[in-house]
Amino acid sequence: RKEVEQDPGPFNVPEGATVAFNCTYSNSASQSFFWYRQDCRKEPKLLMSVYSSGNEDGRFTAQLNRASQYISLLIRDSKLSDSATYLCVASSGGSYIPTFGRGTSLIVHP
Amino acid sequence: ETGVTQTPRHLVMGMTNKKSLKCEQHLGHNAMYWYKQSAKKPLELMFVYNFKEQTENNSVPSRFSPECPNSSHLFLHLHTLQPEDSALYLCASSQEGTGTEHNQPQHFGDGTRLSIL
Repeated sequence: RKEVEQDPGPFNVPEGATVAFNCTYSNSASQSFFWYRQDCRKEPKLLMSVYSSGNEDGRFTAQLNRASQYISLLIRDSKLSDSATYLCVASSGGSYIPTFGRGTSLIVHP
Repeated sequence: ETGVTQTPRHLVMGMTNKKSLKCEQHLGHNAMYWYKQSAKKPLELMFVYNFKEQTENNSVPSRFSPECPNSSHLFLHLHTLQPEDSALYLCASSQEGTGTEHNQPQHFGDGTRLSIL
């Protein structure tokens, strides 16, 4: 199965910091990309889709680099409530079964 | 969010018991999934159903038996489980495109936390 790789972290940052996560995917046919957030002992929740031109949602910015086959998530002005595991997901048009990364752990401290 | 509902939320069972997990989606999606997530481990895809047909069985032991009677309901029947099967079992649904269409994101239920004694 094609892989999605993420740095597991943890990333330990102070409140107000800017933090960026990268995720690489091996399937060049991947067309749909997403970032999910998962809190401890909870289900993953969709944070944002990732579009080819990049997209922003408040403090969160997602970028896609097809040439290098990676996507990124930038979080500005980190809040304590941003502490969670962030999952990167890729799926190809030919297969609707998404591939999840192992997740990157973020800890925001006061 | 009540788009994907899983019951029960918690289940404790002995190794000789038989139980079933239930998932219901109210989103009109055409694909449903079972995942297993053990403590501090990544999501493991178990089964996929698309238009009620099972399209993926990810080398899951036969003590787990899925059932998809219609596109809105998905069950996971459990029997003679082992202690290592204790985990969070997550159901998800999505609306899948065809061909080169972009796939839509999955929506997850709250999960069933299963403990095997």
